[in-house]
Formats: sequence, structure tokens, C-alpha cells
Amino acid sequence: DAGVIQSPRHEVTEMGQEVTLRCKPISGHNSLFWYRQTMMRGLELLIYFNNNVPIDDSGMPEDRFSAKMPNASFSTLKIQPSEPRDSAVYFCASSLSGGGYTFGSGTRLTVV
Amino acid sequence: GESVGLHLPTLSVQEGDNSIINCAYSNSASDYFIWYKQESGKGPQFIIDIRSNMDKRQGQRVTVLLNKTVKHLSLQIAATQPGDSAVYFCAENKWGGSQGNLIFGKGTKLSVKP
Repeated sequence: DAGVIQSPRHEVTEMGQEVTLRCKPISGHNSLFWYRQTMMRGLELLIYFNNNVPIDDSGMPEDRFSAKMPNASFSTLKIQPSEPRDSAVYFCASSLSGGGYTFGSGTRLTVV
Repeated sequence: GESVGLHLPTLSVQEGDNSIINCAYSNSASDYFIWYKQESGKGPQFIIDIRSNMDKRQGQRVTVLLNKTVKHLSLQIAATQPGDSAVYFCAENKWGGSQGNLIFGKGTKLSVKP
């Protein structure tokens, strides 16, 4: 298994632009998580899905952030419009319910 | 200007020595605990886990100890190597919980001196 695959690895965009981050979870895992990591706040859970259904999005900063999981093998995190304070590393992780998470390599987002 | 970042506890050890990284967890109902290792530029990586019906579990060069009385978890790394340099996170959850929502600690940075 190739593990959790995220794309792109790096993204530099201008303030106000739309950014879409992508994630392919491990086949067979039924939970998917989006995290944001910054020096200021550490690892923050943004949203997670169970069986493709969003369960808890209370960590999503504001309406500019949205996430979808159209099927068991793909999820997106979208920021529109992006702002400099959104600059961070965004991780996707997947798990089989009740187990440990497998993280992707992350997307480093820089908004200038 | 200089940004004020998250101040991580740092543990500095000599290569070959044993390392002990500590973690206090918050929820007395948690019954599943995991240690993750995060190297620079990478995502957190699973190291070892333990359920609350155990107080010790050993892996390859790593041992996790759980003290439920004081809600304390520790990770012991034997014969620490330069490749062990990373940030280590503990995480807690309720095993089999439908939410599967791990709560991560702030992390400890381990620095191994050659």
C-alpha cells in the first residue's frame, strides 16, 4: 500500500486565490481526518469523516474552509479565498475506526 | 520580524544513551494511547500503541509505559540513535469509539548528540 497520498506537496498562492488540497486515504480505511500544523498552534483537527460522512467540522476555522469526501478514496480541502494566516502544513490521515492514524506527507501551503 | 512559536519541551541525549519522553493525558475515560514520531518535513508516523488493560508494551527499541492512576504515559527509547531525532507526540482516544478522534499532545523534541 502506498499509504496516504496528498497533493500537492507544496503550494504557493496569492491572497484571495482559491486553494484545493487533495487526499487519497489508505484503501479499506473508513475514517479520514484533515489536520493543520503551525508553530503557533501545533496539530489542530479541522474536520473528520466516517464512511464518507462529515462527523465533526468544529475545527474548521471559518466559512472560507470547506471539505468534501465524494467517495471512499478521495477527499478535498478547499480554502476560498485564501489569506496569509492560512499558511501552514495541512495533513490528511486515515484510519480504521478505533485504530491509530496513518498520516500523509502533508501539503505545505504558503499564502503571500 | 521574529514569530513567537509553540515552545516545545526539548530533550537532548547522547547517542547510545536511553531516552525517556513523558506525556500527561487529560481524559480519564481514554483507554487507547499512541506515540507518534514526526521528523522534519514529514507527517507523524506511528511508533507504538497501548490499551488501558496493559501498563507496559515493548516494541523494537521502544517501550511504552502507562500509569492510569496519575494519567501519565511515557516512551522509552533504548540506545538512542541520531535517526531518532524528531518531535514525539502522544495521543489518546477511546478504543473503538465511533468517532475515532485522537487527541494529540503538544509534542517533545528529541535531539540526539553524536
